[in-house]
Amino acid sequence: KQEVTQIPAALSVPEGENLVLNCSFTDSAIYNLQWFRQDPGKGLTSLLLIQSSQREQTSGRLNASLDKSSGRSTLYIAASQPGDSATYLCALSGGSYIPTFGRGTSLIVHP
Amino acid sequence: NAGVTQTPKFQVLKTGQSMTLQCAQDMNHNSMYWYRQDPGMGLRLIYYSASEGTTDKGEVPNGYNVSRLNKREFSLRLESAAPSQTSVYFCASSEQTGPPDTQYFGPGTRLTVL
Repeated sequence: KQEVTQIPAALSVPEGENLVLNCSFTDSAIYNLQWFRQDPGKGLTSLLLIQSSQREQTSGRLNASLDKSSGRSTLYIAASQPGDSATYLCALSGGSYIPTFGRGTSLIVHP
Repeated sequence: NAGVTQTPKFQVLKTGQSMTLQCAQDMNHNSMYWYRQDPGMGLRLIYYSASEGTTDKGEVPNGYNVSRLNKREFSLRLESAAPSQTSVYFCASSEQTGPPDTQYFGPGTRLTVL
């Protein structure tokens, strides 16, 4: 069974820092990996989706990478801002239709 | 476009009561999903519908039933609510039929079962 781990569980950084969020998984037979953002009391918003054949995806200040051989994905946030404060989740889809979610990293960016 | 909408936003039930959570999407997506989110457990898939007319069990289907009413709507029913079903329920949709591509989530329904 696929297991997804996100470390750290919580992170607090000053504004302007570049930071990396980690997502580790146990089964490299994945179809795609998706990064989400969740604000308190809200639903999830998709940030980036990486297909199994891709190594990375970029959107603005966000860059997500995928290394299947090491069972790892990273979400890089450049020049962090207070508005980036949220919980970030990764989710993996394998050959089945059942995505496996990590428990998330809670990020606080303070001014 | 409204995206994915869910009703109600909040609900309190007594043990044994039944209710239906409604979900609709206006993006002409093929696949729809129901998740629950519990503290310390992450999101878990309850049921999904890969296309209109089909539904399948996810990771935690016990105590729930679903109906894909048409391409737009996917409802989740609790026949006899239990305190263990206290959770936040999210509906999501994705465009393709098959393993989910980009998923779009609704705002959630916060359910408390007393």
